[in-house]
Amino acid sequence: KQEVTQIPAALSVPEGENLVLNCSFTDSAIYNLQWFRQDPGKGLTSLLLIQSSQREQTSGRLNASLDKSSGRSTLYIAASQPGDSATYLCAVNSGNTGKLIFGQGTTLQVKP
Amino acid sequence: EPEVTQTPSHQVTQMGQEVILRCVPISNHLYFYWYRQILGQKVEFLVSFYNNEISEKSEIFDDQFSVERPDGSNFTLKIRSTKLEDSAMYFCASSDQMNTEAFFGQGTRLTVV
Repeated sequence: KQEVTQIPAALSVPEGENLVLNCSFTDSAIYNLQWFRQDPGKGLTSLLLIQSSQREQTSGRLNASLDKSSGRSTLYIAASQPGDSATYLCAVNSGNTGKLIFGQGTTLQVKP
Repeated sequence: EPEVTQTPSHQVTQMGQEVILRCVPISNHLYFYWYRQILGQKVEFLVSFYNNEISEKSEIFDDQFSVERPDGSNFTLKIRSTKLEDSAMYFCASSDQMNTEAFFGQGTRLTVV
């Protein structure tokens, strides 16, 4: 059974810092991995999708990497801003129906 | 930009009542999903739907739950007899293929009293 874990659960950094969020999964047989952002009480905004054949994806200040064999993904945020404060979720698609298995999330606070 | 739309944003219902949560997926998408998130907990998969039938459902999705695509645009989740523990944020999602990016709606917060 696929399980997804995110470390740390919470992170507080000063503005401008580069940071890394971690995601690990137990079953390496995945189709893809997706990173989401969730603001308090709101929906999930897709940030990046990495297919199983890819090593990384970039969007603006965000870079996500995938090491399928070790069951790990990282989300790198460059030059963090207060507007980046949110909960970041990773989710793994490892079935053949598109079902996503989510981690608990990392709650990020960027202080001005 | 196309988006998944959910209504209502917040619904309060009495225990034992039926509720229907509504979703309009992105128009050219073929795969539809419902997830829920109990306050402070992980987002949990409920059901996936493709080609007018359920393709997978979780243990949570028991006989009290049902889904329907009544027309070409709506996708609904019905809970027949709500329980207190059904209180959660319910998210609808859609994707154009099984292994492509999933887009989520803003959620319906269901409160059962």
